[in-house]
Amino acid sequence: GDSVTQMEGPVTLSEEAFLTINCTYTATGYPSLFWYVQYPGEGLQLLLKATKADDKGSNKGFEATYRKETTSFHLEKGSVQVSDSAVYFCALGALGTPLVFGKGTRLSVIA
Amino acid sequence: DSGVTQTPKHLITATGQRVTLRCSPRSGDLSVYWYQQSLDQGLQFLIQYYNGEERAKGNILERFSAQQFPDLHSELNLSSLELGDSALYFCASGPSDRGVETQYFGPGTRLLVL
Repeated sequence: GDSVTQMEGPVTLSEEAFLTINCTYTATGYPSLFWYVQYPGEGLQLLLKATKADDKGSNKGFEATYRKETTSFHLEKGSVQVSDSAVYFCALGALGTPLVFGKGTRLSVIA
Repeated sequence: DSGVTQTPKHLITATGQRVTLRCSPRSGDLSVYWYQQSLDQGLQFLIQYYNGEERAKGNILERFSAQQFPDLHSELNLSSLELGDSALYFCASGPSDRGVETQYFGPGTRLLVL
């Protein structure tokens, strides 16, 4: 079945550092890909998404490009802030099936 | 604010008991999804309802059941509770049952079984 694998955390970075969180997927069709973020004590919220190959999703300085050839959707940000500390989930959605989530990557940004 | 509401926010109960968690989807959304989030298992999909009908089932135990009512709110019933059922339970809603759309998550219900 469809699956998502993302790098295990926790990831600890200093403020203004560059962030990459790796995500790869396995899917039989042409899924949409998502990054969700969960801030402490809150539910998940959509960070960005891409619906087809070579699409780039972006929001709040975060970016991810849908790479069909490498089945990847890595999350990047050029300069992280303390307020970016959260758990990040990569997910895929295929037609007619619920979203499939990765296990999440906890990011801690220290000042 | 996602527009999805969940009650109660916290629930403490004892083993063997039964609880009901409630979710109201965003206005206009027809699908409701239930997830369990625990430290060791991550985010696990439990079940999906679309416009009152069960649409997909994930890793939901037989002790758990759910339904979606005509006004589209949903309830997740957990019975014969065990210590291992302690977790965060999220519901999410979406406009259709296509699975490729964005899901909007509620704030969750934190269940503690003692």
